[in-house]
Amino acid sequence: DAGITQSPRHKVTETGTPVTLRCHQTENHRYMYWYRQDPGHGLRLIHYSYGVKDTDKGEVSDGYSVSRSKTEDFLLTLESATSSQTSVYFCAISLEGDTQYFGPGTRLTVL
Amino acid sequence: QKEVEQDPGPLSVPEGAIVSLNCTYSNSAFQYFMWYRQYSRKGPELLMYTYSSGNKEDGRFTAQVDKSSKYISLFIRDSQPSDSATYLCAMKGNSGGSNYKLTFGKGTLLTVNP
Repeated sequence: DAGITQSPRHKVTETGTPVTLRCHQTENHRYMYWYRQDPGHGLRLIHYSYGVKDTDKGEVSDGYSVSRSKTEDFLLTLESATSSQTSVYFCAISLEGDTQYFGPGTRLTVL
Repeated sequence: QKEVEQDPGPLSVPEGAIVSLNCTYSNSAFQYFMWYRQYSRKGPELLMYTYSSGNKEDGRFTAQVDKSSKYISLFIRDSQPSDSATYLCAMKGNSGGSNYKLTFGKGTLLTVNP
């Protein structure tokens, strides 16, 4: 998985609780992305980062925030988890903003 | 009209068959085209990467881009059961805000039967 780890790999939480997912890379790539993948919707971009402390919204950013204080780490926070945020979350990295390499995913269930 | 259209399948073929997977797109600014393979419960992995029009071959895989028709294809020759996966096309433009974001198709589920 191109030097990308995601933690946790599985999480079950309750509605209304905050949740933070972590993406860690050892490739020193500039760009990092968070996607969610759902049946019938494919991969949808939540947020992305083009450098330390530089982030921007994707197409489904409502209810999510991100932070990137170091090149290697990109955190995704669900401020108050809802059942509609049950999904598989993938982190991806890119050196120059073209080809992306994906992590193994985090399976999140919100009850 | 969606920016990228991909037939979700499922597509089921016998081992050894030639498989053709396709995507159409509407944004003429797309210049870079990729195919990803995703096994069940795994992350997508990059399979092929092409720039602009033309063909690119890698082993049993051939990626083809026809920009005039806004149509890309992935051919798999001598398909194997290990090729059973979901195949995602992805593409991006060359400038502006879309320079470092990919637009993905929803994926085609392929099963190769022994």
